[in-house]
Amino acid sequence: DTGVSQDPRHKITKRGQNVTFRCDPISEHNRLYWYRQTLGQGPEFLTYFQNEAQLEKSRLLSDRFSAERPKGSFSTLEIQRTEQGDSAMYLCASSLGTGPGQQAFFGQGTRLTVV
Amino acid sequence: AQTVTQSQPEMSVQEAETVTLSCTYDTSESDYYLFWYKQPPSRQMILVIRQEAYKQQNATENRFSVNFQKAAKSFSLKISDSQLGDAAMYFCAYNTGANSKLTFGKGITLSVRP
Repeated sequence: DTGVSQDPRHKITKRGQNVTFRCDPISEHNRLYWYRQTLGQGPEFLTYFQNEAQLEKSRLLSDRFSAERPKGSFSTLEIQRTEQGDSAMYLCASSLGTGPGQQAFFGQGTRLTVV
Repeated sequence: AQTVTQSQPEMSVQEAETVTLSCTYDTSESDYYLFWYKQPPSRQMILVIRQEAYKQQNATENRFSVNFQKAAKSFSLKISDSQLGDAAMYFCAYNTGANSKLTFGKGITLSVRP
């Protein structure tokens, strides 16, 4: 297993277009998280899945954002009608188990630039 | 609301020397976990060290150790015998509760001088 992988690594899109990112977690990990990181800031939580169930969404996740994790495997994050403020690094992380304290394994992220 | 504060945006250390990175947090929870993550340039974030709040003993991982002061809500990272490969952004983070989501500080950029 090569860890958490994200695709694409970079995405440049025009304002108003839709984009979709993919995350493949470590295979046996039941939890999957999406974070957003802007320049000079720490990652901010967006949403998380336990298996295929989306259990929490941050208020940062506007109606233009949607995430799925069909069959509890890979996950997709879609942004509709992108805005310049969506430009950021989108990080995916996965972990095994329940409860706090579990080690999260991060992917390299997808850097989105909206022009 | 839980918050994590890293007040130093940048630090520099001479190779082979020791450096301490500061972090404070605010929470009303009694059971929680604290983490230091390292994010090298253009590479993924990796866990450096983890501390359980109910454990009084400070965590250590080889050259990395923490000074956990629960009453002061302080969680600093000490890097001994600094190496060039330690240069990265370091994030202090916190989690609690069933969802295990992480709350991060703004991070600190550590440079290592040869």
